[in-house]
Amino acid sequence: DGGITQSPKYLFRKEGQNVTLSCEQNLNHDAMYWYRQDPGQGLRLIYYSQIVNDFQKGDIAEGYSVSREKKESFPLTVTSAQKNPTAFYLCASSWTAPIHTEAFFGQGTRLTVV
Amino acid sequence: SQQGEEDPQALSIQEGENATMNCSYKTSINNLQWYRQNSGRGLVHLILIRSNEREKHSGRLRVTLDTSKKSSSLLITASRAADTASYFCATLREGSNYKLTFGKGTLLTVNP
Repeated sequence: DGGITQSPKYLFRKEGQNVTLSCEQNLNHDAMYWYRQDPGQGLRLIYYSQIVNDFQKGDIAEGYSVSREKKESFPLTVTSAQKNPTAFYLCASSWTAPIHTEAFFGQGTRLTVV
Repeated sequence: SQQGEEDPQALSIQEGENATMNCSYKTSINNLQWYRQNSGRGLVHLILIRSNEREKHSGRLRVTLDTSKKSSSLLITASRAADTASYFCATLREGSNYKLTFGKGTLLTVNP
């Protein structure tokens, strides 16, 4: 089955801890994205990557970090510097050729700070 | 900053009616896309329209794009209760290195 997988589905973090959210895709997509969604809100872009070993900050990168060591994987670390990390996190991937830029999304990780 | 702004924020209709949602954006784009999200789930791609296209159809969906007004609309015809979801527009800006940005969405409720 081709697709994009996020894990875990639910994650609880204590204040001051870093946590890493996993995102894996087997669609052979070049581009991968991380978004944050707050209740009743749209998606805000955290980081995105077009190619292995390269990534760019989105609109709300502060307090987050990413890596792109493999084409299939784009993990997101929520650091203790992120003051309000409780949110729904969505990972997506897409082709980079202009004719194929539909994004495929994972099912999300709901992060709660306790 | 979010590129797209959907309007209305919420829409409630009866089954069988048509639903129209609008999206406005700020900068030149390569394409505009519409997505659907069921509560608590990931987004599902519905339709993509390129900047040189004016209208596109897919099943009960019709999308228009007016680049002079920087706006798009999504029409769902003969709506069903199963169409209840949030709908988002997303834009791929020209020269943006594939930065895909979303609006805040329209919550559509279709009452049986």
